[in-house]
Amino acid sequence: NAGVTQTPKFRVLKTGQSMTLLCAQDMNHEYMYWYRQDPGMGLRLIHYSVGEGTTAKGEVPDGYNVSRLKKQNFLLGLESAAPSQTSVYFCASSPPRGEQYFGPGTRLTVT
Amino acid sequence: GEDVEQSLFLSVREGDSSVINCTYTDSSSTYLYWYKQEPGAGLQLLTYIFSNMDMKQDQRLTVLLNKKDKHLSLRIADTQTGDSAIYFCAEPAWEAGSYQLTFGKGTKLSVIP
Repeated sequence: NAGVTQTPKFRVLKTGQSMTLLCAQDMNHEYMYWYRQDPGMGLRLIHYSVGEGTTAKGEVPDGYNVSRLKKQNFLLGLESAAPSQTSVYFCASSPPRGEQYFGPGTRLTVT
Repeated sequence: GEDVEQSLFLSVREGDSSVINCTYTDSSSTYLYWYKQEPGAGLQLLTYIFSNMDMKQDQRLTVLLNKKDKHLSLRIADTQTGDSAIYFCAEPAWEAGSYQLTFGKGTKLSVIP
């Protein structure tokens, strides 16, 4: 089992560019999450999904969109990147009531 | 709403014990979790405790739970340089009908050789 994987690992964008971060899990988990981690701020939930075809907003959803077309994949999109979106992004998955399994992270810099 | 609270930094000497404290918000939480994040990596579950327990021991790790005060602690005995990491406590939360985890901001443990 690969667990939770994220692509890419690193990315540099210019302000206004768009990109999609891909998260994949092979544990057949129902729930998937996208977090961002910034110094001194801990983990903040961006969006989450409780099943294929469903998504919901978390604590800091503005400027991001998500899609869950397949159970194993959860995509995070930035339509027009801003410097404030410079962060480390983590994807996680879990069964409906259980521990979350995290990916290795994507380090994004927006210049 | 209320936050899961942790101190941000802890520094200990190699071989000493480390104690990382956490205050959580919901006295009815069923499980409470400790995650570890090594530099440049994602979070990994370190240990957890069920709410009907006061203590759980797992090799060098001891988790203490005080439900009355909503206080959780993680003790690492004989701390090693490899224990240098950020430690997050997390409690379950129901948000909009779904089960989520609320994380503290993390305690950065630095081990001095």
